Amino acid sequence: GAGVSQSPSNKVTEKGKDVELRCDPISGHTALYWYRQSLGQGLEFLIYFQGNSAPDKSGLPSDRFSAERTGGSVSTLTIQRTQQEDSAVYLCASSFGSDLYGYTFGSGTRLTVV
Amino acid sequence: AQSVTQLGSHVSVSEGALVLLRCNYSSSVPPYLFWYVQYPNQGLQLLLKYTTGATLVKGINGFEAEFKKSETSFHLTKPSAHMSDAAEYFCAVSERGGANNLFFGTGTRLTVIP
Repeated sequence: GAGVSQSPSNKVTEKGKDVELRCDPISGHTALYWYRQSLGQGLEFLIYFQGNSAPDKSGLPSDRFSAERTGGSVSTLTIQRTQQEDSAVYLCASSFGSDLYGYTFGSGTRLTVV
Repeated sequence: AQSVTQLGSHVSVSEGALVLLRCNYSSSVPPYLFWYVQYPNQGLQLLLKYTTGATLVKGINGFEAEFKKSETSFHLTKPSAHMSDAAEYFCAVSERGGANNLFFGTGTRLTVIP
């Protein structure tokens, strides 16, 4: 597609449930990133995929968070046993894999844990 | 290690007045530098970037930024604010030749007063 697509745009879930957030990057972009944006805060790096290399998971806040990227394209971020502090906007971005270009961001998924 | 400081979480200007949003970075080598804008309920959009060459960079919507190595700064300016400029602005850096992660500042919310 023309841009980075994220679904759902909004998700309300009960505490303790698992959620899956989807990101469909721009075709041809080899790099894919997940960030979290909490209310009133900046962007927190979560995980980074580059081609077939092992992902950089250094930003994942706990082992309840995981992500995968199938076929070098679509990525799914999974949060298990959600907690209220997981409420945030989860942003996905993709790029050509060089930091020369910057990222193209999706519109995000707003997750609310009640 | 990379870090970005945006002075002022909130900036208010009158319509038609100069916009100045400050960004300072900390890096062992001059990084790549970016400004992103986030309109309400949307993802981040690249405004401009500095990678190499001319230190004064022009972006979309009349914004520009100047890389000043001696001051480790990359402040964003616009000569005349428009109501449509009201948004949140993020400065970001990435390491030349390193991982492609972008490190973001905490953002500056710009309000334009009619």
